[in-house]
Amino acid sequence: EIVLTQSPGTLSLSPGERVTLSCRASQSVSSSYLAWYQQKPGQAPRLLIYGAFSRATGIPDRFSGSGSGTDFTLTISRLEPEDFAVYYCQHYGSSLFTFGPGTKVDIK
Amino acid sequence: QVQLVQSGAEVKKPGSSVKVSCKASGGTFSSYAISWVRQAPGQGLEWMGGFIPMFGTANFAQNFQGRVTITTDESTSTAYMDLSSLRSEDTAVYYCARERAYFFDSWGQGTLVTVSS
Repeated sequence: EIVLTQSPGTLSLSPGERVTLSCRASQSVSSSYLAWYQQKPGQAPRLLIYGAFSRATGIPDRFSGSGSGTDFTLTISRLEPEDFAVYYCQHYGSSLFTFGPGTKVDIK
Repeated sequence: QVQLVQSGAEVKKPGSSVKVSCKASGGTFSSYAISWVRQAPGQGLEWMGGFIPMFGTANFAQNFQGRVTITTDESTSTAYMDLSSLRSEDTAVYYCARERAYFFDSWGQGTLVTVSS
């Protein structure tokens, strides 16, 4: 079973800053099976990126995904006030879904 | 875009069962899989299992095998998640989500299940 590790656990940043979030898989995975979600307090998760690189419908282009093999990255080019949230990566394999532990982006 | 609306909050005793519903609108219900994901207070997301109505097949995370049942009623476009032998550690928000290939593109609003004596 694939284990996903996200780092850092928490990031304290200011609006306007660039953010890079890391998701590392315990073994090499296909980028097709890697997704990213955003979750705000009291809300359901929202799909941001699928297939490691593709933005979901309605997601602003300041969000981008990259990576391959075991290392994947979610980048927010310029933090907006509404981007302060928890971000999860997710993998699909062998008919099973796995989530990373999440990275919280909070206001400095 | 598929919309998923879940049933309301539940309070259950340890050892009992809970059944949460998830009604879909939009799209063709039988053509996509529905998964259930839970989130304990202050914790991350945990996939429990999923069901594909078209094939009548289900897959479950190892942690939940034997304790969770997922069913669907195509006549009402509703999916159900039944979790048995509840314990305090099952206190969580339970989400249904539509599987789109290898990710989840629509989510229900969540149902809080509290297990307490």
